[in-house]
Amino acid sequence: EVQLVQSGAEVKKPGESLKISCKGSGYTFSNYWIGWVRQMPGKGLEWMGIIYPGDSDARYSPSFQGQVTISADKSISTAYLQWSSLKASDTAMYYCLRTPGIAVAASCWGQGTLVTVTS
Amino acid sequence: QSVLTQPPSASGTPGQRVTISCSGSSSNIGNNTVNWYQQLPGTAPKLLIFSNNQRPSGVPDRFSGSKSGTSASLAISGLQSEDEADYYCAAWDDSLNGYVVFGGGTKLTVL
Repeated sequence: EVQLVQSGAEVKKPGESLKISCKGSGYTFSNYWIGWVRQMPGKGLEWMGIIYPGDSDARYSPSFQGQVTISADKSISTAYLQWSSLKASDTAMYYCLRTPGIAVAASCWGQGTLVTVTS
Repeated sequence: QSVLTQPPSASGTPGQRVTISCSGSSSNIGNNTVNWYQQLPGTAPKLLIFSNNQRPSGVPDRFSGSKSGTSASLAISGLQSEDEADYYCAAWDDSLNGYVVFGGGTKLTVL
C-alpha cells in the first residue's frame, strides 16, 4: 500500500528552527515528486513547493521561495520541510503529497503535521 | 487572495445536483488541466477529479468535472449527506518558473 506518514505535531517559539518529515512507503520513493501544502487555521490550501527525490530538484511557489527549504533523503525515503526562523504566522497544518509529475494531480497525501508557533 | 476563484459556499438538499465553479486565467486553467480535491472535516485532502474530468478509481460517478476556456466546474449529482465537505480546484500556473495554484475552496453544505 502506498503511504506517506508525516512526523508528529510541533509546538515551537518564534525564532526557533524546525524540520518536519514525510516518509514514503509502498513504492519507489525516488521516482515520484513530493510536494508540500500549507493550510492555515480555518483557511484554504496553499501549494508551497515540490521536490524530486531522485535528483533533489526542488521548486517553490513564489510565496514561499526563501521562506522554507524542501529537501529529501532518498536513502531513507523521506522528504523534509524546514524553517530557519519560525514566525507566529507559520502556525498551520502542513500536508505532504505524492505526484508522478510536477504538474500532475496528487492521489496520495500524508495525514498532516500541525505546527504551532507561540511565545 | 487565491489565484483561482471559487464561491465560498454552496448548498443543496439530498438528491439534488450542485455545481461549483472555478475561474482562472490563460496562464493556469486556460493552458493546463484542472484537478479537484475534497476535504472532509478534520482530514487530509483527497483527489476527486484529475485532468479536468477523470475520476480516480473509487470515486463515485456522481462526481464529474468539466473545463471550458479559463473556467472549470465540479458537478455533484444525487447529493448525499457525506458529500458535505470543502472542495478545492487546482491547476498548474505557467507564470514565473511555474507552480500549482489552488482555488480558495468552497464549503458545501447538505441541508
